Amino acid sequence: QVQLQESGPRLVKPSETLSLTCTVSGGSISSYYWIWIRQPPGKGLECIGNIYYSGSTNYNPSLKSRVTTSVDPSKNQFSLILRSVTAADTAMYYCAGSFDMATIALHYWGQGTLVTVSS
Amino acid sequence: SSELTQDPAVSVALGQTVRITCQGDSLRSYYASWYQKKPGQAPVLVIYGKNTRPSGIPDRFSGSSSGNTASLTITGAQAEDEADYYCNSRDSSGNHLVFGGGTKVTV
Repeated sequence: QVQLQESGPRLVKPSETLSLTCTVSGGSISSYYWIWIRQPPGKGLECIGNIYYSGSTNYNPSLKSRVTTSVDPSKNQFSLILRSVTAADTAMYYCAGSFDMATIALHYWGQGTLVTVSS
Repeated sequence: SSELTQDPAVSVALGQTVRITCQGDSLRSYYASWYQKKPGQAPVLVIYGKNTRPSGIPDRFSGSSSGNTASLTITGAQAEDEADYYCNSRDSSGNHLVFGGGTKVTV
């Protein structure tokens, strides 16, 4: 059973960089599609960016200028960097994964980590 | 704004049937996936593809699609089905995943 776990700072200052890592266990990171998703308080789910095991990436156009995702097969981890954060970036951040390249159905989810942007 | 549109809220009596819809042009080309989201919990995939339930999802959940509209039906809604439901699919470019705004289901 594939399990995902987010890790990283829970508090980030405005204008600084948010950095999260997702550790994958129970499966190889080289076999799936990985994505970062967030949910601001009281709002809906938003895709941030995805990365294929090949390293190919796609980012939400509204966040593209500030986002980088990467994968580290040696550690079975993938990561998110979000630069120049503001209070609007305060959200629950989830990592998720899919083995179904046809539908990109997200079978696997981390428990989520709440990141607060505040001075 | 999302490329996938959902009604904000719907209510259903215990044991009755409720249908949640998701509209978007990309749904003419791509299947939607459906997720159940309860407060304090990660989303759970309940339907994907043409109408496939992951292991452990009750068979009262079913999916369908026609034209630009995907639907999630809960037949015989239970109290534990009260949650927010989100549809998800590729956008029109096919390169990005997008979510609908979510539908709050009250049982």
